[in-house]
Amino acid sequence: QVTLRESGPALVKPTQTLTLTCTFSGFSLSTSGMCVSWVRQPPGKALEWLALIDWDDDKYYSTSLKTRLTISKDTSKNQVVLTMTNMDPVDTATYYCARMYSSGWSDYWGQGTLVTVSS
Amino acid sequence: NFMLTQPHSVSESPGKTVTISCTRSSGSIASNYVQWYQQRPGSSPTTVIYEDNQRPSGVPDRFSGSIDSSSNSASLTISGLKTEDEADYYCQSYDSSNQVFGGGTKLTVL
Repeated sequence: QVTLRESGPALVKPTQTLTLTCTFSGFSLSTSGMCVSWVRQPPGKALEWLALIDWDDDKYYSTSLKTRLTISKDTSKNQVVLTMTNMDPVDTATYYCARMYSSGWSDYWGQGTLVTVSS
Repeated sequence: NFMLTQPHSVSESPGKTVTISCTRSSGSIASNYVQWYQQRPGSSPTTVIYEDNQRPSGVPDRFSGSIDSSSNSASLTISGLKTEDEADYYCQSYDSSNQVFGGGTKLTVL
């Protein structure tokens, strides 16, 4: 059974760095073709892709946010960590992690974690 | 970067058929797979179509996907609409370095 769960702070202050952890089970990120992706959704708005990391430790970032994002994995712990620097109120959103294949399909998603940026 | 453009909203009656379009702004729609996700309020997205026209197990065959190279677009068609199909639908595709979501389409079944 594949599960993913996002964890991190619910509230961060402007200019702070956000660190989110995706803890997963039911698959291995060392399996060829496997990836974990991060996606966010501001309240009432559309999904926005942020970053992904693949089985070979290749990393890809949203062009508009790449200077602020870092993604990494700990295969032994079945975790993927996303950091986003210089948080702003416009970054208030539900952040999801998802298992993704190299074909671009995300078949399992976490429940999401709401992050509010406010002083 | 390319964009995927969807209609903001569509509405149709139960039992009817609706088609949601997703137009790619640059690059060929046929070059990279297109996925379609359904999202109900307060829930995570779930897949209704992957790799252009494949249905995950458990998704009824009322849902179908296609691509049209002439219009550089993908389409999600839902036939025999049910009230439970009312949700937001997002298309998604990618290129060599980016994943892209469409802006989402709110489907109302009334």
